[in-house]
Amino acid sequence: DVKVTQSSRYLVKRTGEKVFLECVQDMDHENMFWYRQDPGLGLRLIYFSYDVKMKEKGDIPEGYSVSREKKERFSLILESASTNQTSMYLCASSFAARGHEQYFGPGTRLTVT
Amino acid sequence: QQQVKQSPQSLIVQKGGISIINCAYENTAFDYFPWYQQFPGKGPALLIAIRPDVSEKKEGRFTISFNKSAKQFSLHIMDSQPGDSATYFCAAPNTGNQFYFGTGTSLTVIP
Repeated sequence: DVKVTQSSRYLVKRTGEKVFLECVQDMDHENMFWYRQDPGLGLRLIYFSYDVKMKEKGDIPEGYSVSREKKERFSLILESASTNQTSMYLCASSFAARGHEQYFGPGTRLTVT
Repeated sequence: QQQVKQSPQSLIVQKGGISIINCAYENTAFDYFPWYQQFPGKGPALLIAIRPDVSEKKEGRFTISFNKSAKQFSLHIMDSQPGDSATYFCAAPNTGNQFYFGTGTSLTVIP
C-alpha cells in the first residue's frame, strides 16, 4: 500500500510564526504536491515538485515556500503565518508519467491565531 | 488556466437512489479524468478514472460518463448507500503532471 504521511494532524500557531509542514511518501514517486483545501474552493495547488530540489509554483504560492532535499520528503514552509492561512493542508505524490493517480496524505489542519 | 466547474455543491439522496455529480472543463493536455472520494478526517482517495477513448466506465455501482465534444463528464452512483456519504472531487489534467480539481460535492445519503 502506498503511504503518504504528514507530520501533524492538527497544528495551532500564532501569527508571524514560521511553520513547517512535513510530508513523506514511501512509493519512490517522482512528483509531490502541496494543496490547501477550503470549503467551497476545493483543492488548490500551492507548489509542485517533480524531482529533488526542483519545484514549480502552483495557483496560490504567495506566502509559502517549499523544500525537497530528498525524493521521499517534501516540506511546506509558511515563512510568517497569517490568519488567512488557516486551512487544511494536503500533501500528495504520484509517478512522473501522465495519467497516474495522486495519492494523498491525511491532511494537516492548521489554525493560525 | 484550466477551470473545472463542478456541480452541485451539495447533494442529499435517499438510500437506493441515484447520485449524479457533474463536471465541465475548458482545456486538457491529455485524456485522463479521475474522481476522488474524501471521507471526513481523511485525504482524498481515487475512486474511479476514465481515459476518454471510451465514453463510459463502470466499476460496481460507480459510473463515469464522458462527453468529449461538450467537455463534460459526470459521476453516477447507483443504489446509493449511507456509506457513500462523502465529498467527491472531479479532476481534469493540466499541462505536465498536474490536475485541476473541482470545488467538491458533499453527498449525504439518508437511510
